[in-house]
Amino acid sequence: KAGVTQTPRYLIKTRGQQVTLSCSPISGHRSVSWYQQTPGQGLQFLFEYFSETQRNKGNFPGRFSGRQFSNSRSEMNVSTLELGDSALYLCASSLKTSGSTYEQYFGPGTRLTVT
Amino acid sequence: SQQGEEDPQALSIQEGENATMNCSYKTSINNLQWYRQNSGRGLVHLILIRSNEREKHSGRLRVTLDTSKKSSSLLITASRAADTASYFCATDEDYGQNFVFGPGTRLSVLP
Repeated sequence: KAGVTQTPRYLIKTRGQQVTLSCSPISGHRSVSWYQQTPGQGLQFLFEYFSETQRNKGNFPGRFSGRQFSNSRSEMNVSTLELGDSALYLCASSLKTSGSTYEQYFGPGTRLTVT
Repeated sequence: SQQGEEDPQALSIQEGENATMNCSYKTSINNLQWYRQNSGRGLVHLILIRSNEREKHSGRLRVTLDTSKKSSSLLITASRAADTASYFCATDEDYGQNFVFGPGTRLSVLP
């Protein structure tokens, strides 16, 4: 099976712009989660989608949004970019086994640089 | 909020030695997972241990979980240069669907 893919891999944007990142989960995985990773804050959970519905959301401002399509592919959008949004954005898909006990499979990430 | 907290922050050892990393967390969990991340890349799932398990093995990896102390340890035996990476523990929170990651331990294995 193909792994989780993320596009683009690298992105440079200017403050105030918006950006859309894409994630294609492993075939058959219906849950997609997004994380932001920065040297200062580490890995922080953004949100999780399951069957096109946002099921859980982390503590990020409303500038961060996402959606999931019927084929489980997901996009996240960041509007009005700030310098602090520079980070590695990781997407993870999972196949739930039981309750909250499941493994997440991560994509390679999108490195976003805001100048 | 940071649930898992790894210790030490950085560890440097010689090839062939064992590496031990620790993780502490604050609230009750259903499971704890360990991930590896090679420089600036995605995370790779290593091992999952459930709250009713005390120890788990996978190849050269050994994970222990002590729920009374809210801590876990990851032992890598006979380390190799290829084990050089950052290691993160992650816990589930409030029976929820997201995981909370610790700040990670950066392991360097010197040849």
